[in-house]
Amino acid sequence: KNQVEQSPQSLIILEGKNCTLQCNYTVSPFSNLRWYKQDTGRGPVSLTIMTFSENTKSNGRYTATLDADTKQSSLHITASQLSDSASYICVVSAYSYGKLTFGQGTILTVHP
Amino acid sequence: GAGVSQSPRYKVAKRGQDVALRCDPISGHVSLFWYQQALGQGPEFLTYFQNEAQLDKSGLPSDRFFAERPEGSVSTLKIQRTQQEDSAVYLCASSLPSRIAPNQPQHFGDGTRLSIL
Repeated sequence: KNQVEQSPQSLIILEGKNCTLQCNYTVSPFSNLRWYKQDTGRGPVSLTIMTFSENTKSNGRYTATLDADTKQSSLHITASQLSDSASYICVVSAYSYGKLTFGQGTILTVHP
Repeated sequence: GAGVSQSPRYKVAKRGQDVALRCDPISGHVSLFWYQQALGQGPEFLTYFQNEAQLDKSGLPSDRFFAERPEGSVSTLKIQRTQQEDSAVYLCASSLPSRIAPNQPQHFGDGTRLSIL
């Protein structure tokens, strides 16, 4: 079964600090890897999308990396803000039309 | 509207009742997806439409689940004879077709939270 595993399950950091979230996947074939942010009670919002040939992509304070050989990805958040508190979900697409396999998410809590 | 709209936002039904969940995708988005998200979990794929054609329904958990998109725009997810295990958030997402914009994001609605008593 195609799987996407994320760690840690939850993380608490202080405002202004950096953090890194991890993702391992076994989905095959591989089309692209995405990171989504999901606020409580809302739908997921796309942060980054990386194809097989890309190993890093940034979106403001969010930087995602991809190692397609080891099937690992990370999401680094710089200078965290209270509004960063959310679930961050690693998502892998195995088909060109966009069928997505989601990880269970990392719940990030940023404290003042 | 500017985004994907889902209704109702909350639905409470008694076990055994039928429910219908609606999704209005972003105008011009021919690809439409339904996902089921259990509490504390990531979403799981249910079904995919390209225009009015349902091209992948491999994620539908049973024959009690039925989705349609008759005119290639609004979609309805219907669950017949609901069971308690159907309680979840049902998310709809839309996107441009990959042949036009490969590797572009799916835009999600805020979901319908379904509770079966």
